[in-house]
Amino acid sequence: NAGVMQNPRHLVRRRGQEARLRCSPMKGHSHVYWYRQLPEEGLKFMVYLQKENIIDESGMPKERFSAEFPKEGPSILRIQQVVRGDSAAYFCASSQTGTSGYEQYFGPGTRLTVT
Amino acid sequence: DAKTTQPNSMESNEEEPVHLPCNHSTISGTDYIHWYRQLPSQGPEYVIHGLTSNVNNRMASLAIAEDRKSSTLILHRATLRDAAVYYCILSLPNSGYALNFGKGTSLLVTP
Repeated sequence: NAGVMQNPRHLVRRRGQEARLRCSPMKGHSHVYWYRQLPEEGLKFMVYLQKENIIDESGMPKERFSAEFPKEGPSILRIQQVVRGDSAAYFCASSQTGTSGYEQYFGPGTRLTVT
Repeated sequence: DAKTTQPNSMESNEEEPVHLPCNHSTISGTDYIHWYRQLPSQGPEYVIHGLTSNVNNRMASLAIAEDRKSSTLILHRATLRDAAVYYCILSLPNSGYALNFGKGTSLLVTP
């Protein structure tokens, strides 16, 4: 069984460019979450999506960040006009349900470096 | 939001049991207690979770205090592959799916 897949694993962008991070959930999982891990910090929740719906984006920065989970294809986390402070590891997780008490399965992460 | 407190680091010998403590004195009645671990350069891995009763699975056991203000993750026989950062996490109120990881406990396992 394939786990959660993320690509690219490493992404380098210059300041002002756009970053697109992709996440394919585990088979049978329809709930996707994005997390960000800044250097020397723990993961922080960003957004929770189901197919074609954003359920909770309370952890997303108000500007430049957006996420989608289309009917077909992977979930995308998009960061426009990247700045150095966006350099971090971005993890995607998926679960069978969105309620508490169900484990989330994490991907290997995408490490974004902004130069 | 309810917070958790964990020791920064712990050390264990291989094949010995490990007890990883977590304090969460402001936990609410509906907060689940989750444990994840993260190896270097990898995504977190689910370990175990519980609400009120003690829980066992193939990886570990979770002992929850009667007042729920603390819990302990028990690895019955530590192996070198258990060396990781272990996170004790409470679900956020009204959004139980949202996990915010603290600094966790870095577990060193020595042969």
